[in-house]
Amino acid sequence: GAVVSQHPSRVICKSGTSVKIECRSLDFQATTMFWYRQFPKQSLMLMATSNEGSKATYEQGVEKDKFLINHASLTLSTLTVTSAHPEDSSFYICSARRAGGAPYYNEQFFGPGTRLTVL
Amino acid sequence: SQQGEEDPQALSIQEGENATMNCSYKTSINNLQWYRQNSGRGLVHLILIRSNEREKHSGRLRVTLDTSKKSSSLLITASRAADTASYFCATQTSGSRLTFGEGTQLTVNP
Repeated sequence: GAVVSQHPSRVICKSGTSVKIECRSLDFQATTMFWYRQFPKQSLMLMATSNEGSKATYEQGVEKDKFLINHASLTLSTLTVTSAHPEDSSFYICSARRAGGAPYYNEQFFGPGTRLTVL
Repeated sequence: SQQGEEDPQALSIQEGENATMNCSYKTSINNLQWYRQNSGRGLVHLILIRSNEREKHSGRLRVTLDTSKKSSSLLITASRAADTASYFCATQTSGSRLTFGEGTQLTVNP
């Protein structure tokens, strides 16, 4: 149980286009989902926290108009990279926090990641 | 900002040897977690140690936590080539937000 999927796993796009990445919790409900980006050989940097039915909370330095996050249901969150540029090329990883109290409160389950390459 | 620092950044050992990775952090925490990431893949949760725990074991993994020094270590015993991966520590304070360390790239040579 506690499987998180991401789609697509890999995407190549032209500069200026928008790309949507989906994050789904397959066998549990996720009240909160997190979006991270990871550059090669670096750690994960939290971009935003997404709560179902409300606006996402963005980390300092992350442009909310650039990285649109929607968390419309308890099993799906989407990240849209708008007007993508080569510097947006990165590995994007989502995680989902299972709904419910302890012992689930601290658990996050990670998706397999999406490799975005902007030409 | 990342509050975790890990050392070494890279570690290369022979199969069968033990691998030790360290993680330091700056603020008080609720728990500390270790994750593994194979190249270009997602994260796999290895072990969670709470702030009131000092040591925890899971199979070939042993994690220690010293809250007075704000540090943790991950020991992998009898390493295998399949253990080759990046290992990250992540701290959790109140709420569910995780803050990741810089990671250690472990290479286990057959």
